[in-house]
Amino acid sequence: AQRVTQPEKLLSVFKGAPVELKCNYSYSGSPELFWYVQYSRQRLQLLLRHISRESIKGFTADLNKGETSFHLKKPFAQEEDSAMYYCALGGSNYKLTFGKGTLLTVNP
Amino acid sequence: NAGVMQNPRHLVRRRGQEARLRCSPMKGHSHVYWYRQLPEEGLKFMVYLQKENIIDESGMPKERFSAEFPKEGPSILRIQQVVRGDSAAYFCASSPWGSADTQYFGPGTRLTVL
Repeated sequence: AQRVTQPEKLLSVFKGAPVELKCNYSYSGSPELFWYVQYSRQRLQLLLRHISRESIKGFTADLNKGETSFHLKKPFAQEEDSAMYYCALGGSNYKLTFGKGTLLTVNP
Repeated sequence: NAGVMQNPRHLVRRRGQEARLRCSPMKGHSHVYWYRQLPEEGLKFMVYLQKENIIDESGMPKERFSAEFPKEGPSILRIQQVVRGDSAAYFCASSPWGSADTQYFGPGTRLTVL
C-alpha cells in the first residue's frame, strides 16, 4: 500500500532561517515523489518533482530511498513562502497519494 | 488557458439532498481525476475518468457516489442522499494523459452538509 507521512502539522520559522519540511513514504515499487504547495486562497500547484532534480523558488528536495524520505528544504525562508505544503507519492500509475500537509508560517 | 474550473466553489446541502459538483478540465486535457479532502486529512483519490469512460473508481464509496465525464460538457461528481460525513473539499484535476506528474488541480468545491 502507498502511504505518505508528514509528521509536522505546523512549522513556524523566522524570515531568513533555514526550513525543512519532512516527508516519509511507504511504497514497494519505484516511487515518483512530488511537493505541492497551496498559498492562501489559491489552488494546489505543483512545486517540484524528484525526477526533475530542480530547484523552484529556492526549494530543493532529494529522494532518499534508503530512508524512504523526500524532505523539502530551503536555506533562507521568505515571508511569501508561508503556505500549506503537501508531499505526494505517484507510484507506478496515475494515482497520487498525499500526506496530510504541513502549514508553514514564516514570521518577519 | 483558464486552468481547471470547478463549480460551485461552496455548496451547502441538508442531509438527504443531492450534491452535484462540476469540473471543467484544462483545454486539451481529456483525463479527469477527483480527490476528496476530509478535515485534517490529505487529499484521497476517488475516481479517474476519460471522456465517456470510468477508468478507475477504486477510491469511490460504493454507495451514493457516482461520476461521469460525458463527451460534451464538464465532469460531474454526484453524491446522493448526502450525510454529514460527506462534508469535505472535493478537488478535480486534469491531465493530457493518464499520469501522476501532469495533473493540474482546480480550486476545489467545499461541500457542507447540515
